[in-house]
Amino acid sequence: GAGVSQSPSNKVTEKGKDVELRCDPISGHTALYWYRQSLGQGLEFLIYFQGNSAPDKSGLPSDRFSAERTGGSVSTLTIQRTQQEDSAVYLCASSSGLAGRETQYFGPGTRLLVL
Amino acid sequence: DAKTTQPPSMDCAEGRAANLPCNHSTISGNEYVYWYRQIHSQGPQYIIHGLKNNETNEMASLIITEDRKSSTLILPHATLRDTAVYYCIVRVAGSNDYKLSFGAGTTVTVRA
Repeated sequence: GAGVSQSPSNKVTEKGKDVELRCDPISGHTALYWYRQSLGQGLEFLIYFQGNSAPDKSGLPSDRFSAERTGGSVSTLTIQRTQQEDSAVYLCASSSGLAGRETQYFGPGTRLLVL
Repeated sequence: DAKTTQPPSMDCAEGRAANLPCNHSTISGNEYVYWYRQIHSQGPQYIIHGLKNNETNEMASLIITEDRKSSTLILPHATLRDTAVYYCIVRVAGSNDYKLSFGAGTTVTVRA
């Protein structure tokens, strides 16, 4: 079946602009995660959604970052007033089951470059 | 506090088996061993996971030592498309251990 999809695949923006990144999880997966990966760096957890529960936003680096998940499926990560240090690959993953204990499957990522 | 240690790099000949080691000497009884890989410019790809028994799927085999302090990922017939960074991680099952964190991994280069 279809895997996790993300759009756009690449995004170039100017400092100060807002960007929206989209994630379509695997159908039926109740858990959705956002991570980012800077060049040569490891994964950095951003946010976790599970069903109708309040999301775990503990990884969001600043209040410029926010995310929504509508109807328990598609998620949008929004970065307001982008800064050059926001340049990274933003990865979305999804898993079935509860408490995030199941295997996470990743999308291809969105490569964000802030000029 | 690295929970796993892996060699930084290894080369493998195309068509041969690639054996990737991972040490996890402080693993707890309820921690699974997971393997992911990341091909250049792509998202991480799940490969396989196991608790204590050896596991096999269409991608790879996972051999876990009896004391669970180390494991080996085996790619039975490596191809050029297997060139990637391979990550070995441990995760607690049945808990809220959902924030994945990869170390440096092993950069595997498959050569023709």
